[in-house]
Amino acid sequence: AQKVTQAQTEISVVEKEDVTLDCVYETRDTTYYLFWYKQPPSGELVFLIRRNSFDEQNEISGRYSWNFQKSTSSFNFTITASQVVDSAVYFCALSDEGTSGSRLTFGEGTQLTVNP
Amino acid sequence: KAGVTQTPRYLIKTRGQQVTLSCSPISGHRSVSWYQQTPGQGLQFLFEYFSETQRNKGNFPGRFSGRQFSNSRSEMNVSTLELGDSALYLCASSPGWVMNTEAFFGQGTRLTVV
Repeated sequence: AQKVTQAQTEISVVEKEDVTLDCVYETRDTTYYLFWYKQPPSGELVFLIRRNSFDEQNEISGRYSWNFQKSTSSFNFTITASQVVDSAVYFCALSDEGTSGSRLTFGEGTQLTVNP
Repeated sequence: KAGVTQTPRYLIKTRGQQVTLSCSPISGHRSVSWYQQTPGQGLQFLFEYFSETQRNKGNFPGRFSGRQFSNSRSEMNVSTLELGDSALYLCASSPGWVMNTEAFFGQGTRLTVV
């Protein structure tokens, strides 16, 4: 069965610090997709990135970067020079052949607080 | 392009009542999924509809049901409400029914059962 673990429940940093959010996943499938979503206080889940299991290239988008390592089943998310607006709950999620369709299995989420 | 619209945003119901939540997906999207979010259980998958057919169902009791209309709009219904049903219900729409499809979420309906 698939599982996503975000061991960090809460993280608090000061503005301009770099912060890394950890995500470890479990799946028996060789084809799967990993996602990160951001949930601000308004409640809506905002899509950040999708990565497939065959592409281990790291990705950078502005202040955001993602490190995908199949060897350790991890898909970590780093925010560089954090800002107060980055404060939110961040979810890592997995979709694999076992679940079928576009069903997502989410981690528990990490509450990130960026203090001015 | 309009996003995913969920109505109502907030709802207060009494135990034993039933409730219907609505979700209008992004235009052109044919897949709608529903998730329940609670502090204790996190985000859990309820079900997914594609072209008016339920394609996938999570581990929830039969009190939770849903449907999808020909215009892709979806409703979910919870009958005989229990206090534990209090949650944020999120709807997501996707262009198709494949696992690599990114899901776009609405702002959710916050249901409180008293």
